[in-house]
Amino acid sequence: AQTVTQSQPEMSVQEAETVTLSCTYDTSESDYYLFWYKQPPSRQMILVIRQEAYKQQNATENRFSVNFQKAAKSFSLKISDSQLGDAAMYFCASSRSQGGSEKLVFGKGTKLTVNP
Amino acid sequence: GAGVSQSPSNKVTEKGKDVELRCDPISGHTALYWYRQSLGQGLEFLIYFQGNSAPDKSGLPSDRFSAERTGGSVSTLTIQRTQQEDSAVYLCASSKDRTPVYNEQFFGPGTRLTVL
Repeated sequence: AQTVTQSQPEMSVQEAETVTLSCTYDTSESDYYLFWYKQPPSRQMILVIRQEAYKQQNATENRFSVNFQKAAKSFSLKISDSQLGDAAMYFCASSRSQGGSEKLVFGKGTKLTVNP
Repeated sequence: GAGVSQSPSNKVTEKGKDVELRCDPISGHTALYWYRQSLGQGLEFLIYFQGNSAPDKSGLPSDRFSAERTGGSVSTLTIQRTQQEDSAVYLCASSKDRTPVYNEQFFGPGTRLTVL
């Protein structure tokens, strides 16, 4: 079974500053994926970044990067140079990486506010 | 190309009535997932379809919930005798199946169900 925990219900950041969103997880899978999704008010879930557990190198996508600590089961998201358009709900998620259903297990989310 | 579409966008119903929610996946995607997002919660997996295989129904919360996928494309989620706790946003996602390669799930905009 997999569980994902996000301990920050809300976060705020000033425009152009950096913010880090926290996520911890637990899984019995030997190989798995970790994700950060963004959900704006439109409700559309958008994949921000993905990390494969067997890769030690932290994933990066432009202004978004992760700090993946496998032993600690921690997977935080860093947003650099925050923009007004980054304001949204952010969900951390995990899935198994092979063998049938790759259903996503989500945390409860962190609401990010970006202040001008 | 077109993304995942869902209809209706919003649905208001009375307690005890049956509802049907529709999902049109991206053309060519063989995997289809339904998730439920209750207020203040992360997404909760409901059911997964993959080609002609038996669906993974392990996330359905009760026997009032059922889903089908006709012709390997469109899916309908049916909730019978709706209860107020069924009020939520129901999200559909689809992906290609290129196991063991990673398959990104693309989400629709969801259906907001309100049970009065």
